Amino acid sequence: GQNIDQPTEMTATEGAIVQINCTYQTSGFNGLFWYQQHAGEAPTFLSYNVLDGLEEKGRFSSFLSRSKGYSYLLLKELQMKDSASYLCAVLDSNYQLIWGAGTKLIIKP
Amino acid sequence: SAVISQKPSRDICQRGTSLTIQCQVDSQVTMMFWYRQQPGQSLTLIATANQGSEATYESGFVIDKFPISRPNLTFSTLTVSNMSPEDSSIYLCSSKRGGDMDEQFFGPGTRLTVL
Repeated sequence: GQNIDQPTEMTATEGAIVQINCTYQTSGFNGLFWYQQHAGEAPTFLSYNVLDGLEEKGRFSSFLSRSKGYSYLLLKELQMKDSASYLCAVLDSNYQLIWGAGTKLIIKP
Repeated sequence: SAVISQKPSRDICQRGTSLTIQCQVDSQVTMMFWYRQQPGQSLTLIATANQGSEATYESGFVIDKFPISRPNLTFSTLTVSNMSPEDSSIYLCSSKRGGDMDEQFFGPGTRLTVL
């Protein structure tokens, strides 16, 4: 079966760095997405990785290792507004998006 | 990115009734999707809405329960039929403008409570 694993919840301090991991086993791979979802709101797109390596976008970076079935989202200089759920999703061989359950990130002052 | 609106934003319905949720995109898009999300849970794809053809339903979802319309390239509706409390959830519409590897953009969601 297809499976995506992420930690359920993480806590970090304002100004610090946090890494949210995602491992996946899917039938084929056509890329991995990270989305941010604030409570009561819709998910918003953060990043897309299809090749191995690190993609940096301001305070947020996303890393992919296809051989390990592994990705992480790195958030630097954390701000209170970064408190949200972070969803990992993999595009499988049929171009279907397989969603992880999300990681709830709590930022403390 | 596309801007997506949904109506209603929330509703409280009685068991056995039906609710139609509307999704409007501000530009023409190739694919539209309907998801369900329980509180604290991941997104579950209900169906893909194709313009001019029948929607494609995922395992566990059937057309009689969740009829979908896609009359043009900017609009779709999802009906939740013969509702029960188990249908209480957030229903999200999304779209993507171009190819298979494009990111999806989401509407604000419809929070449905069935009594």
